[in-house]
Amino acid sequence: AQSVTQPDIHITVSEGASLELRCNYSYGATPYLFWYVQSPGQGLQLLLKYFSGDTLVQGIKGFEAEFKRSQSSFNLRKPSVHWSDAAEYFCAVAGNTNAGKSTFGDGTTLTVKP
Amino acid sequence: EAGVAQSPRYKIIEKRQSVAFWCNPISGHATLYWYQQILGQGPKLLIQFQNNGVVDDSQLPKDRFSAERLKGVDSTLKIQPAKLEDSAVYLCASSLYQQETQYFGPGTRLLVL
Repeated sequence: AQSVTQPDIHITVSEGASLELRCNYSYGATPYLFWYVQSPGQGLQLLLKYFSGDTLVQGIKGFEAEFKRSQSSFNLRKPSVHWSDAAEYFCAVAGNTNAGKSTFGDGTTLTVKP
Repeated sequence: EAGVAQSPRYKIIEKRQSVAFWCNPISGHATLYWYQQILGQGPKLLIQFQNNGVVDDSQLPKDRFSAERLKGVDSTLKIQPAKLEDSAVYLCASSLYQQETQYFGPGTRLLVL
């Protein structure tokens, strides 16, 4: 069975500082991996996804993530955080037999200090 | 382009009552998903439709939950009877095809008292 662990429940960073959100997954074959952002009162929005190819994936809003098979990780990064990045971030994994069946982690809440 | 629409946005019911949620996906999207998001957790897939057929409903509590997608467009999710633990946000999402990006609606927040 596929699963996702986001070890950090809450992270606080200063505006302008770099950000890394951790994600570890469990899946027997090559996974499909996703990062979503959920702002208060808004729906989930896809930031980026990895299906195959280059292990460094670029997404929207200046985010990127790197797939590391040896570490079963797919960490999200941003070089300089903006106050508007404060939100909840979810990592998700899906299998290649049904790319629509995503299993989500429990999320990391990002607070941005001025 | 209009996004995924859901109604109602909020619902409060007593336990053992029934409730229904409605979702209108993005026009032309063949795949529709219903998720349950309990406070403090990530979304959990309840059911996935491809057009009007069910692709996966392995995590749907079928003794009390039902869903349909007549004509392959709109969908309804019903809970009957509701339990306290059903309090959650119910998210609907749609995608052009299974492997395509999922677009989420704003969700319906359900409180069961």
